Amino acid sequence: DAKTTQPTSMDCAEGRAANLPCNHSTISGNEYVYWYRQIHSQGPQYIIHGLKNNETNEMASLIITEDRKSSTLILPHATLRDTAVYYCIALYNFNKFYFGSGTKLNVKP
Amino acid sequence: GAVVSQHPSRVICKSGTSVKIECRSLDFQATTMFWYRQFPKQSLMLMATSNEGSKATYEQGVEKDKFLINHASLTLSTLTVTSAHPEDSSFYICSASKDSQETQYFGPGTRLLVL
Repeated sequence: DAKTTQPTSMDCAEGRAANLPCNHSTISGNEYVYWYRQIHSQGPQYIIHGLKNNETNEMASLIITEDRKSSTLILPHATLRDTAVYYCIALYNFNKFYFGSGTKLNVKP
Repeated sequence: GAVVSQHPSRVICKSGTSVKIECRSLDFQATTMFWYRQFPKQSLMLMATSNEGSKATYEQGVEKDKFLINHASLTLSTLTVTSAHPEDSSFYICSASKDSQETQYFGPGTRLLVL
């Protein structure tokens, strides 16, 4: 599976968009990019995933670059409840997730 | 989204005893379930993959005789920590997917403390 790299932490003002980057420069053509988040002492929560095209759902948008070497998760209007560790995972088949260290997003009032 | 539960949410046991953790998919049938372990301030570590009706596949370095996994039905997988020791104290999290191509949904986790 492709390794992903993310910034250790980011701050975002409440109500503003949070843009979380992820590099996956060794990703192959069949590997999906998944995003999960983990709020303290809870199990990870699925956010969104994509292969090539940009994706949007009720939680977030996922922008994948044309060469697929990086992606950005966008939370359009961050709230205090969005404070969590966000994990970007590149996944090929058989669904085995290997979590990196993720990005700690701090949403501040 | 799909719902996955775990029981118990937290357990305290004495060193040398065995502890069983259940993972259930509540509103879908899960052909594949996964078990992870997370130590404080660290990321999740995949321990094993379990497919309904077959033996679990363990990640390198995970002792299969210590962490017994059973996936007896399409909605239930169990992890038994045998002869638990204080170093087994951790946050154990399961996930489930409808099949190997599908998104994983995670349970809320079980916090194990071995005294």
